[in-house]
Amino acid sequence: SQQGEEDPQALSIQEGENATMNCSYKTSINNLQWYRQNSGRGLVHLILIRSNEREKHSGRLRVTLDTSKKSSSLLITASRAADTASYFCATDLTSGSRLTFGEGTQLTVNP
Amino acid sequence: KAGVTQTPRYLIKTRGQQVTLSCSPISGHRSVSWYQQTPGQGLQFLFEYFSETQRNKGNFPGRFSGRQFSNSRSEMNVSTLELGDSALYLCASSLPKGGQNYGYTFGSGTRLTVV
Repeated sequence: SQQGEEDPQALSIQEGENATMNCSYKTSINNLQWYRQNSGRGLVHLILIRSNEREKHSGRLRVTLDTSKKSSSLLITASRAADTASYFCATDLTSGSRLTFGEGTQLTVNP
Repeated sequence: KAGVTQTPRYLIKTRGQQVTLSCSPISGHRSVSWYQQTPGQGLQFLFEYFSETQRNKGNFPGRFSGRQFSNSRSEMNVSTLELGDSALYLCASSLPKGGQNYGYTFGSGTRLTVV
């Protein structure tokens, strides 16, 4: 079963706008990771946030983590058409060595 | 440096056959994990190998098996294929404990179609 749930399932925005995706999970985690997948290809690691961190930035990406609510959000600022992809959150449980993925958000950025 | 290499990229098999998929991790990475991705079930963990030993296993039937060689390359095998095994199979590699600190590097996957 999936550890996480993501919303929205699909998001369509215009180039230049910001995109926010949310992820909720059920159990205690060691860290939470976000990945991007283009058209059924492999997953690309975007950012990792540890359970003792609340916010992390990487370029146009901003991730927050609220362990009390068991939720995370990914913000992509100033989106580009090339950001069109599926985005997945994945939790690494305290036991480590395996990821449990959410269902993903399909982001479409219109030029 | 070269990324994670999965072969073949595409595969078509008939029900009842068996299939072997290959994954070569990034040089120096000794941990290799396998995932199955389907439209209905999403991304699901199959198993993880480290130093030729299976360290973790997901909730899949015994028809799914794997192994890792001394050079860290890994293979997974699916026997007695069923239509429901049609999926994208993804391999990921990391340094020991690297996945917990830096994330995992995935290959492009093998698209298996069972007819």
